[in-house]
Amino acid sequence: DTEVTQTPKHLVMGMTNKKSLKCEQHMGHRAMYWYKQKAKKPPELMFVYSYEKLSINESVPSRFSPECPNSSLLNLHLHALQPEDSALYLCASSQDVGASGTYEQYFGPGTRLTVT
Amino acid sequence: TQLLEQSPQFLSIQEGENLTVYCNSSSVFSSLQWYRQEPGEGPVLLVTVVTGGEVKKLKRLTFQFGDARKDSSLHITAAQPGDTGLYLCAGINSGNTPLVFGKGTRLSVIA
Repeated sequence: DTEVTQTPKHLVMGMTNKKSLKCEQHMGHRAMYWYKQKAKKPPELMFVYSYEKLSINESVPSRFSPECPNSSLLNLHLHALQPEDSALYLCASSQDVGASGTYEQYFGPGTRLTVT
Repeated sequence: TQLLEQSPQFLSIQEGENLTVYCNSSSVFSSLQWYRQEPGEGPVLLVTVVTGGEVKKLKRLTFQFGDARKDSSLHITAAQPGDTGLYLCAGINSGNTPLVFGKGTRLSVIA
């Protein structure tokens, strides 16, 4: 099973709302990722969790707050977003991080976020 | 600076034609992965190449990793409309760095 699930599939929120995106994997992977993808662009890395600890934050604004409650779950808490934050948010997981192996990343289907 | 350059950016071909997509870099990668992404969906992993000179086949798709592990190509034989999508190459560069993505090749196969 190489499935990564994400909920919700679509989300519309106002600029004053607080919402959360959820991601789950049951492959025993120890690295999980959040990406943001705008139309016609490749995914842009936001955060990396390794063994449930935040290892990379690509200078993401604090209105995005990641959380890794356990090795299978990854959340992205959203607060006071801007319309330009509208995008496809992708979660991915891999066995581990680092160059000493292939560590293929498996992506979820994404959450299409619209900020109004 | 874009570590991985993909070409062409866009490709529109007729069903049954062959095509090749390229992924080039001046850096050495320990592995390269190819993904296909359809609109509104997440990227789906097609293949991972690890060894310089490696060739992998997936039905009508042939993937090659350059001898120096700096470039890769994807060749599709007898393209079908179902091959339409965004093809992304991504690589692990060195050290503890995360995956680096190319900008993608958007393929349209017309019936």
